[in-house]
Amino acid sequence: SQTIHQWPATLVQPVGSPLSLECTVEGTSNPNLYWYRQAAGRGLQLLFYSVGIGQISSEVPQNLSASRPQDRQFILSSKKLLLSDSGFYLCAWTGGYYGYTFGSGTRLTVV
Amino acid sequence: AQSVTQLGSHVSVSEGALVLLRCNYSSSVPPYLFWYVQYPNQGLQLLLKYTSAATLVKGINGFEAEFKKSETSFHLTKPSAHMSDAAEYFCAVSDLYNQGEKLIFGQGTELSVKP
Repeated sequence: SQTIHQWPATLVQPVGSPLSLECTVEGTSNPNLYWYRQAAGRGLQLLFYSVGIGQISSEVPQNLSASRPQDRQFILSSKKLLLSDSGFYLCAWTGGYYGYTFGSGTRLTVV
Repeated sequence: AQSVTQLGSHVSVSEGALVLLRCNYSSSVPPYLFWYVQYPNQGLQLLLKYTSAATLVKGINGFEAEFKKSETSFHLTKPSAHMSDAAEYFCAVSDLYNQGEKLIFGQGTELSVKP
């Protein structure tokens, strides 16, 4: 069966520090992968999506970037975190259509 | 562009009462619609989905939703609320592109269940 792993679960980082969040999918090949951010009291904002290795689409200009170095690995990064980067980050995958499967999320607090 | 609007950021019901969470969508093509549930500090779990088949969709945990094209609505209901239903609920519409879909989410509705 397919599973999605996301880590770390929680992270506290100082302003100006770098960021790397990792997401991996098991049990499938060539998934479409997504990064969403959920700010406190707000809905989910699509940040990036990828349909294949090295193929990244950005939805919102910001302080973050994404990479897909392997078929089932999706990484969210930042060179210098801002306070506004705090939030709950969710990775998701789909094999095509009809909805996503989400990871368990990473709670990022920038201090 | 597709969008969804969830009416009411907070809904409170008594245990055993009807749950009704409202969602209206905007879509230029026949939509695929979804309801997800999120418990605190967890990812989202799919409750149910509408993909152009039956307009009344049954999901997990006793939830169901009815697609009404004339009203552009996809409201989520459950006949009798349970304490364990307290969570945040998201309605989403699918924005298709040629290699998959992007889900566009509403702002969410937090459901509280009173004993």
